Amino acid sequence: GAGVSQTPSNKVTEKGKYVELRCDPISGHTALYWYRQSLGQGPEFLIYFQGTGAADDSGLPNDRFFAVRPEGSVSTLKIQRTERGDSAVYLCASSLGAVDTGELFFGEGSRLTVL
Amino acid sequence: AQSVAQPEDQVNVAEGNPLTVKCTYSVSGNPYLFWYVQYPNRGLQFLLKYITGDNLVKGSYGFEAEFNKSQTSFHLKKPSALVSDSALYFCAVRDPNTGFQKLVFGTGTRLLVSP
Repeated sequence: GAGVSQTPSNKVTEKGKYVELRCDPISGHTALYWYRQSLGQGPEFLIYFQGTGAADDSGLPNDRFFAVRPEGSVSTLKIQRTERGDSAVYLCASSLGAVDTGELFFGEGSRLTVL
Repeated sequence: AQSVAQPEDQVNVAEGNPLTVKCTYSVSGNPYLFWYVQYPNRGLQFLLKYITGDNLVKGSYGFEAEFNKSQTSFHLKKPSALVSDSALYFCAVRDPNTGFQKLVFGTGTRLLVSP
């Protein structure tokens, strides 16, 4: 597809379980971002990749959250020991290069519900 | 740390009337400013940006925004609203002085254009 693809679109899990969320960016985009959007809030930055490396992971809330991008394309956000407070829409975005270019291309998000 | 405020949760306007969605920011230096729009069941879409230069920037779908440094504002405007403009609008800021690529988003303003 031409846009950013995120799977699954919806995930319901139980407290304490492990979850993986996948992002397939636009082909050729070297920059990839994960954001989290809680109900009634704006997107909150989690992590930024430039190529394969996490250039800025300052937004990850704690060590239960981890993200990888091993080949510089697809990225996976991993959440261990999920808590009810992790319930949110997780957004992935990609761009050709630095965000200064202005245009991040967002996926439709993965809605995570932790029961 | 950079921040963005969108003081209005919702803006109501009649079709054909001008619209304004307000945004104020706080950064240590000169900001990079962005507007994104979120339609129902769609990903966030880039509208426009201010990096440098002319204070009035034009973007997609007839929208424009004016950067006002003295008032630290970046209000989104459109001369004549359409019903199809109804959506959730987010202002975002990046502080280029930090060296970080992340955007900080506001909490969003819902625009409702009535026929």
